[in-house]
Amino acid sequence: AQSVSQHNHHVILSEAASLELGCNYSYGGTVNLFWYVQYPGQHLQLLLKYFSGDPLVKGIKGFEAEFIKSKFSFNLRKPSVQWSDTAEYFCAVTRSYNTDKLIFGTGTRLQVFP
Amino acid sequence: ETGVTQTPRHLVMGMTNKKSLKCEQHLGHNAMYWYKQSAKKPLELMFVYSLEERVENNSVPSRFSPECPNSSHLFLHLHTLQPEDSALYLCASSQDLAGASPNFGPGTRLTVT
Repeated sequence: AQSVSQHNHHVILSEAASLELGCNYSYGGTVNLFWYVQYPGQHLQLLLKYFSGDPLVKGIKGFEAEFIKSKFSFNLRKPSVQWSDTAEYFCAVTRSYNTDKLIFGTGTRLQVFP
Repeated sequence: ETGVTQTPRHLVMGMTNKKSLKCEQHLGHNAMYWYKQSAKKPLELMFVYSLEERVENNSVPSRFSPECPNSSHLFLHLHTLQPEDSALYLCASSQDLAGASPNFGPGTRLTVT
């Protein structure tokens, strides 16, 4: 079945540590890729997205993600996390010809300790 | 504030009750969505509406009944729910279906007793 996998379910880091959250998808063909963030008690917010062009995408709050087509991956990175980055992070994918079907991963819970 | 509001924010209902969830978007978008967020499971797309017409129905049980009276409002009517339907129900909207990256509302936390 077509799916989005986030293998890190729960990540705990100290402030200033570097972050990389994995996301792999199983679709063939052209895809659009997204990372959403959900801070405690808040709504889902778009962090960044990739449709085409430069595979290294920069988003808000210092986050970036790299699309590696050969690995079907779209990993999220941040060089130095802050306590305020504590949240749940969701990777999502649509196929370019079926853009109303946004398929999400199970999410990764990130806890950052001061 | 995302421009998508949902009411109520919390709802507790018995299995024989009938209730409705309401979503309103103030963004002038043409597409609206219902998602279900359960613990330890991916967000599940339930319904998609584009220009007030249902586009997608992902095999959702008939005890969930959506209604889109206009492009700004979306309802989810609930009746004879099961305890496993307890979840966070998220509404979202996007300008259109092409290249959609929806704006999400805060959700309604539903508990079925």
